[in-house]
Amino acid sequence: NAGVTQTPKFRVLKTGQSMTLLCAQDMNHEYMYWYRQDPGMGLRLIHYSVGEGTTAKGEVPDGYNVSRLKKQNFLLGLESAAPSQTSVYFCASRKGGSEEKLFFGSGTQLSVL
Amino acid sequence: TQLLEQSPQFLSIQEGENLTVYCNSSSVFSSLQWYRQEPGEGPVLLVTVVTGGEVKKLKRLTFQFGDARKDSSLHITAAQPGDTGLYLCAGARGSNYKLTFGKGTLLTVNP
Repeated sequence: NAGVTQTPKFRVLKTGQSMTLLCAQDMNHEYMYWYRQDPGMGLRLIHYSVGEGTTAKGEVPDGYNVSRLKKQNFLLGLESAAPSQTSVYFCASRKGGSEEKLFFGSGTQLSVL
Repeated sequence: TQLLEQSPQFLSIQEGENLTVYCNSSSVFSSLQWYRQEPGEGPVLLVTVVTGGEVKKLKRLTFQFGDARKDSSLHITAAQPGDTGLYLCAGARGSNYKLTFGKGTLLTVNP
């Protein structure tokens, strides 16, 4: 199993451009999460999903949108990128129920100029 | 507001030394997890503690959950260079399992 796969691994955007980050998991997990990691800030939850077709806001949702049309995929969109969105983005998934372990992807490093 | 405070933020030690990393909060968590993250990779779960006062051991790593479920510690005995990494604690609250992460402790073990 590949686990959690994020694409792309690196991306450079200009201010105002849009892009979509893709997260795919092959473990049939119900829950999926998007985090951003910034120096000195730790991991902060952007959006999450508790199942196919559902999404919810996390701690820092402004400027981002998400979709979970298929159970295995969780997309994170930036409609109009800003320099403040320069960060490393991590996707994670969890089986659900009493299973507490989060599986993380290897991250996407995004720079907005 | 940072709900989980980790200390120290940075730690550089020599191989063979012991160390303790702390994770403190004023909030109660249903469970607390410890992750290790290496450069260019996502965090990997080390352990989950659920019960107040619980102690779990993973080889040279000992994890403890405070009696009030507000704090936790990670103790490493005889640290090795392979222990180098960013150690993150994360507290869980609510049925949707939204984890709150601490800022992490960057550990460097020098040979």
